[in-house]
Formats: sequence, C-alpha cells, structure tokens
Amino acid sequence: DIQMTQSPSSLSASVGDRVTITCRASQGIRNELGWYQQKLGKAPKGLIYAASSLQSGVPSRFSGSGFGTEFTLTISSLQPEDFATYYCQQHNSYPRTFGQGTKVEIK
Amino acid sequence: QVQLQESGPGLVKPSETLSLTCTVSGGSVSSGSYYWTWIRQLPGKGLEWIGYIYYSGSTNYNPSLKSRVTISVDTSKKQFSLRLSSVTAADTAVYYCARELFRAPGYQFDYWGQGTLVTVSS
Repeated sequence: DIQMTQSPSSLSASVGDRVTITCRASQGIRNELGWYQQKLGKAPKGLIYAASSLQSGVPSRFSGSGFGTEFTLTISSLQPEDFATYYCQQHNSYPRTFGQGTKVEIK
Repeated sequence: QVQLQESGPGLVKPSETLSLTCTVSGGSVSSGSYYWTWIRQLPGKGLEWIGYIYYSGSTNYNPSLKSRVTISVDTSKKQFSLRLSSVTAADTAVYYCARELFRAPGYQFDYWGQGTLVTVSS
C-alpha cells in the first residue's frame, strides 16, 4: 500500500492567513492526488483532484501543487468556514489511501 | 444533482455481519464510468477505503478486509450494498458511500453520503 503522510498534524491560524499543508507519498504517484475537507460530523468534501485541479464549486482561494511524492494544499486567505480537517488521498493505485489529516484551528 | 444516502442498522453484535445500503438518487448506478465506493472512518481517526463496485459489476476490495467484504449492486433499486462479516469492536466506525470517477485530468470522489455510524457491541 502507498503510505500518505501529512504535515503538520494540526495548525492554528487566523482569518486572512495563508496556510500551507504538505502531503508526502511513500512512492511516486505522478499527479494522482486529491485533497478533501471534512468538518465535524460531516462527510468529506472534495477540493482538489489531479494535484492541482479544483473540484466544481470550490473557491479559488484553494490551490494544490506537486508531482511524484511531494504535494501541497494552499489556502491563500483563510476564511471562517475553512476551519476543518484536511486529508490528502492518492488515486494512483489500489487500495486508495488517505493521509492522517491536518486539523486547521482558529488562533 | 446526485445524492447518496446510507442506511442500515446502527448496532451490530460481535461475530455477526454488518450490512449497509447506499441509495443513489439523481443518477444511475449502471451507467457511466463510476466506481461506487465504501469508505469508513474509525472513531477519532482517519479514512479507510474499503472497496468499490464498478458500474460494470466488477469489484475491488482493500486487502486488509478482503476476506470479510462483499460489495454488490441492485440496479433496479439504484442501490449498492456493503456486507462485512465476522465483525469485532475494531469495525466500529462511520461508514460512507461515495462515487469515484475519472474526469480529466484525474480521479476524484465527487459525491459522498452523509455517513452512518455503526457500533459493534453485544
């Protein structure tokens, strides 16, 4: 299985801050990576697919980059509704695997 | 607008079989290149992919669960189902159904159910 490792596990930030989350794959996965946002008690919601493409309806303050084994999710200006847990997930092979999550909290 | 909704017992006894159904509205389970998927989230933990049934009927399961998992589809009811046998407390989780597809340039899970908590306890 491909192991996905996110850093940091949690972070505190203020509204308006630029936030970056990193995800590393245990082997190369080309650009086959997605990012998901999960709020407490809710299902995950897709943000990014193919490393840098926005899913439908996702605000442009979210962006993704990377290729191979290292990827980033950036929120350019954190909004109140962005406080949540974020997961990366590889779509390169089966079984699909997720990172352990990064919790973004209010400073 | 596609919607997915999980249903099934919220409490299952140890050693018994967990059975859940996902009803798809606003779309078909038998057309389009969709992978109808089950994912679970253990309490306070991350997400674990369980497996999928493709629109053609082929399946693929997580090797860690493969001996206990069956995913099937009922196209007439627009439903797909999960059966997990010989459950233990370690199978207590929120279970999600989701749709995966390839939309250039890549795969994505674009629709999710709201999730259903299944507790394994006597």
